[in-house]
Amino acid sequence: DGGITQSPKYLFRKEGQNVTLSCEQNLNHDAMYWYRQDPGQGLRLIYYSQIVNDFQKGDIAEGYSVSREKKESFPLTVTSAQKNPTAFYLCASSTTGSTRNTQYFGPGTRLTVL
Amino acid sequence: DAKTTQPPSMDCAEGRAANLPCNHSTISGNEYVYWYRQIHSQGPQYIIHGLKNNETNEMASLIITEDRKSSTLILPHATLRDTAVYYCIVRVVVLAAGNKLTFGGGTRVLVKP
Repeated sequence: DGGITQSPKYLFRKEGQNVTLSCEQNLNHDAMYWYRQDPGQGLRLIYYSQIVNDFQKGDIAEGYSVSREKKESFPLTVTSAQKNPTAFYLCASSTTGSTRNTQYFGPGTRLTVL
Repeated sequence: DAKTTQPPSMDCAEGRAANLPCNHSTISGNEYVYWYRQIHSQGPQYIIHGLKNNETNEMASLIITEDRKSSTLILPHATLRDTAVYYCIVRVVVLAAGNKLTFGGGTRVLVKP
């Protein structure tokens, strides 16, 4: 079964703790993305990676960090520096090299910081 | 990337066509129009995209005006499962790179029986 998996679906953390969200894809896609969604809002891009060992900041990268050591994995760490970390986090991947470049999204992780 | 304007919400009757407008008056010649939708608490789903010609696939049709300043997504026979937030996005496509998308507020579509 091809697709993107994110785990866990729900995550609770205490304020001041770092937390890492998992994202794995078996679609053989080069590009991967992390978005944040707040209630009633659209998605905002946090980080993206077009190739292994390379990534770029998106529109709201402050307080977040990523790594891309393997093509299929793009974990996101929410650090204690992120002022309002409670949100719905979505990971996506896409091919490169065509106009379609459809992004495929995972089911998301809902993070609540208490 | 060009900014898009969509109505915040609209209702549609089940079995009827749903016409979702999008204004992108500042679009430039090399920007594509993409449509995604997001069903509650799920990841967005790609629907369709186009540059200047009208496009149709198994999910929907995309009608782009001749001046490209606006477009309409048509769901030909709306079902209750089409209830979702629909996002219109314009984007320059760089073939060697991934497709970084900017999602606005979208249109919340409610299909009613």
